[in-house]
Amino acid sequence: KAGVTQTPRYLIKTRGQQVTLSCSPISGHRSVSWYQQTPGQGLQFLFEYFSETQRNKGNFPGRFSGRQFSNSRSEMNVSTLELGDSALYLCASSGRIGPMDTQYFGPGTRLTVL
Amino acid sequence: DAKTTQPTSMDCAEGRAANLPCNHSTISGNEYVYWYRQIHSQGPQYIIHGLKNNETNEMASLIITEDRKSSTLILPHATLRDTAVYYCIVTRDHNYGQNFVFGPGTRLSVLP
Repeated sequence: KAGVTQTPRYLIKTRGQQVTLSCSPISGHRSVSWYQQTPGQGLQFLFEYFSETQRNKGNFPGRFSGRQFSNSRSEMNVSTLELGDSALYLCASSGRIGPMDTQYFGPGTRLTVL
Repeated sequence: DAKTTQPTSMDCAEGRAANLPCNHSTISGNEYVYWYRQIHSQGPQYIIHGLKNNETNEMASLIITEDRKSSTLILPHATLRDTAVYYCIVTRDHNYGQNFVFGPGTRLSVLP
C-alpha cells in the first residue's frame, strides 16, 4: 500500500498570507490527523477528521482550520500567517492494528514564513 | 492519557542491542504503550505497540513490566540508520478519535 502523501513538501510564504496544505491518507483509512512540529514546542496535535467531520481539536487559534473530503483526503489551512507558524506540518492517517487505531505519518510539509 | 518519562538521550554501539526505557507509572488498565521514531525532519514512523504482553515485530521488541508502569523498546542489532528520536506514548482507544501526545522523546545516537 502507498503511504501517506503530503503536498507540497516545502513552502515559503510571507506574513499575512494564507496557505493550504494537502494530505492523502493510506487507502482505506478514514481518519486523518494533523500535527505541527516546531523546535520549541515539539509535536503538537492540531485536529482530527473522520468521515468529513472534525472529531477532535487541539489548542490552536481559529486561524488554523481543516477539512476532509469524501475520499478521505484532507486539507489544512492557515490564514493570516505569522512568523511563529513556521514549522513542519505532519499529517497522519489511522488504521486498525488489533483493537487500536495506529497512526501512520506522512513526510510532512515544511512551511517557512518570512 | 498517562504521561511518559524518557531519558533525553542515549548512545549505542553499532551492532549492539539498543534498550530504550520509558516510565509510565500512572498508566490505566485500558491504555496502550506505543513507540514511534523520527529520523531527522521526516515524519514519525510507527514501530510497535502493546497492552500488557511483550510484543515483537520485524523492527523491535517491546517489553512491558508486569505492573505496566514501565516499558523498554529493544532494537536487537542497532545500525547507523536507527539514529533517531524515539517517542513513547501511552494512549487509550478514544471513541472520538486518536490524539497522540508526543513528549520530547529520547535521542538515540548509534555510534560506529
